[in-house]
Amino acid sequence: GAGVSQSPSNKVTEKGKDVELRCDPISGHTALYWYRQRLGQGLEFLIYFQGNSAPDKSGLPSDRFSAERTGESVSTLTIQRTQQEDSAVYLCASRLSGGAQETQYFGPGTRLLVL
Amino acid sequence: DQQVKQNSPSLSVQEGRISILNCDYTNSMFDYFLWYKKYPAEGPTFLISISSIKDKNEDGRFTVFLNKSAKHLSLHIVPSQPGDSAVYFCAASGDTGTASKLTFGTGTRLQVTL
Repeated sequence: GAGVSQSPSNKVTEKGKDVELRCDPISGHTALYWYRQRLGQGLEFLIYFQGNSAPDKSGLPSDRFSAERTGESVSTLTIQRTQQEDSAVYLCASRLSGGAQETQYFGPGTRLLVL
Repeated sequence: DQQVKQNSPSLSVQEGRISILNCDYTNSMFDYFLWYKKYPAEGPTFLISISSIKDKNEDGRFTVFLNKSAKHLSLHIVPSQPGDSAVYFCAASGDTGTASKLTFGTGTRLQVTL
C-alpha cells in the first residue's frame, strides 16, 4: 500500500506477557519513528531510526521496551512483561529522510490493552 | 513537563464560521511547528506547518500564525466545514539532537455543527 501500515490493529494481553507490534513504513522512507498515545494525552516520542545509524532510544520509558528495524523496512516494537500502564495506542511514522522539516506520515496505530 | 500545550480540550463552531485552535510552547529551541488532524481509528494526518522564520503560513482554508515572543501559535480554519470535525494536534520540533522527533500537545477536539 501507499501508506504506513501497522499490525495488529488491536491487541489485548494479560499483564506480564510480552507483545510485539509491527510497522511497515512507506517504501523508500529512511526515517522511522515510534510514538505512543495514552488516554487523554498527547503523542509521546519513543524511538527513532534513521538509515543505518544507531537508533535514538531516548524516549523509551523503561528497559522493557525495545525496537528493531531491518535496513529501511519493517520495524517491530517489543514490550516485555507488559504492565497496565503500557495500555495505549502505539503509532508508527515514517518520513523520506531525517530532515527536520519533512513531513512525518503516520500509520493507523495499534491499540494495546493490558488487563 | 508538557512542552507543548493545548489548553482547550474541545471547541464547537458552526459551519461557515472561523475555527481558531491555540497552542503554547515552552521550549525556545523549537523552530518548526506543525498541525496534525486525527480522525477516530486513524493515524494523525499532516495539515500545515510553519518555520520559526515566518509568522504566517496559509494553505487554502487553513492558516497558521506564529508569535515567537509569546511562544504561541494558532490554527485558523475558515470557513469551517463539517468534515473538519476531528482532533487537532499541535506539534513542534527543534533543530538539534533528535531534531526530527515531534513533541505533541494533548489535542483539541473540534466539532463543526450544521
